[in-house]
Amino acid sequence: KAGVTQTPRYLIKTRGQQVTLSCSPISGHRSVSWYQQTPGQGLQFLFEYFSETQRNKGNFPGRFSGRQFSNSRSEMNVSTLELGDSALYLCASSWLGGSRETQYFGPGTRLLVL
Amino acid sequence: EDQVTQSPEALRLQEGESSSLNCSYTVSGLRGLFWYRQDPGKGPEFLFTLYSAGEEKEKERLKATLTKKESFLHITAPKPEDSATYLCAVGGGSEKLVFGKGTKLTVNP
Repeated sequence: KAGVTQTPRYLIKTRGQQVTLSCSPISGHRSVSWYQQTPGQGLQFLFEYFSETQRNKGNFPGRFSGRQFSNSRSEMNVSTLELGDSALYLCASSWLGGSRETQYFGPGTRLLVL
Repeated sequence: EDQVTQSPEALRLQEGESSSLNCSYTVSGLRGLFWYRQDPGKGPEFLFTLYSAGEEKEKERLKATLTKKESFLHITAPKPEDSATYLCAVGGGSEKLVFGKGTKLTVNP
């Protein structure tokens, strides 16, 4: 069974630009969660989507947004990029989501904002 | 607010030298505690899920245990390929996972 895939793997952007990251979950998984990982803050929860609806959200500004499609694939968008947005963005999938189910992570997208 | 603290931040072991990593947590209604392994530049790889105090799970040289306040990841006779960052996460009533900052393990040959 194929794992979680994320594209692109690496991105370089400049301040003020916007970026869209993509995530394809494990086949059959309907929940997709997004995380930001930085050396200082560790892994922080951005949001979770289930059946095309945002079900939960972390403490990030409105510049961070996402969506999920009918095939469970998900995208996240960051507008008006700031230097502090440089991070590894991780996507994780699970069958039903929530805090009891095991989440399986993709390889991440490394974003560098200059 | 759910919180997870992992200790130590970094640990150096000699090959074959057993040790334990600690994950202390406060959570409103524990629904699951998760251990992951992360290699540099890669996404976290799932290791174990524990649901209730007293539960234990094993995989090769790793054993995870859970109490009402903490979890331990015991590493028996580690090998250099066990070198990685080990992450602990808890899931509670907020329905989202909260991660600790990890323990970076280095096993020297």
